[in-house]
Amino acid sequence: KQEVTQIPAALSVPEGENLVLNCSFTDSAIYNLQWFRQDPGKGLTSLLLIQSSQREQTSGRLNASLDKSSGRSTLYIAASQPGDSATYLCASNSGNTPLVFGKGTRLSVIA
Amino acid sequence: NAGVTQTPKFQVLKTGQSMTLQCAQDMNHNSMYWYRQDPGMGLRLIYYSASEGTTDKGEVPNGYNVSRLNKREFSLRLESAAPSQTSVYFCASSDWRGGNTIYFGEGSWLTVV
Repeated sequence: KQEVTQIPAALSVPEGENLVLNCSFTDSAIYNLQWFRQDPGKGLTSLLLIQSSQREQTSGRLNASLDKSSGRSTLYIAASQPGDSATYLCASNSGNTPLVFGKGTRLSVIA
Repeated sequence: NAGVTQTPKFQVLKTGQSMTLQCAQDMNHNSMYWYRQDPGMGLRLIYYSASEGTTDKGEVPNGYNVSRLNKREFSLRLESAAPSQTSVYFCASSDWRGGNTIYFGEGSWLTVV
């Protein structure tokens, strides 16, 4: 059974800093890995999806990487802004199964 | 531009009462899901429907039932609500079970007293 872990649970950084969020998973035979953003009181919004055959995906200031051999993914946020403050969740699945989610990292970007 | 719509958004129930959470998607997705989110526990899958006419248990199915009414709609029923079912419930949909982006509704806040 796939297990997904995110460390740290919370992170506070000053505006403008580049930062990395970490995600690890137990089953390297993943089908894909996704990163989501969740604002307080809201649903989840998909940020990036990396298929198992891919190494990374980029969208604007966000870059997600995937290393199946080590069971890790990172989400890199460049030049952070206060509007980036939210909870970031990663999720993956093994084979053709529903996504399993990590507990998230709560990010605060301080102006 | 509705995407995934859940109702109700907020509900307070007494222990033992029943209720149904409704979910509809307008993206012609095959797969639909119900998750619950609790502090410190992350999102956990309750039930899912890989395609119209099928439903399967997830990680935490006890105390819940589901119905895939048609391709658009997937409802979650609490037959006899318990305080442990106080949570935020999210419905989601995707093209198919594993491969594509999943889209979430805004959530339903349920309190059982």
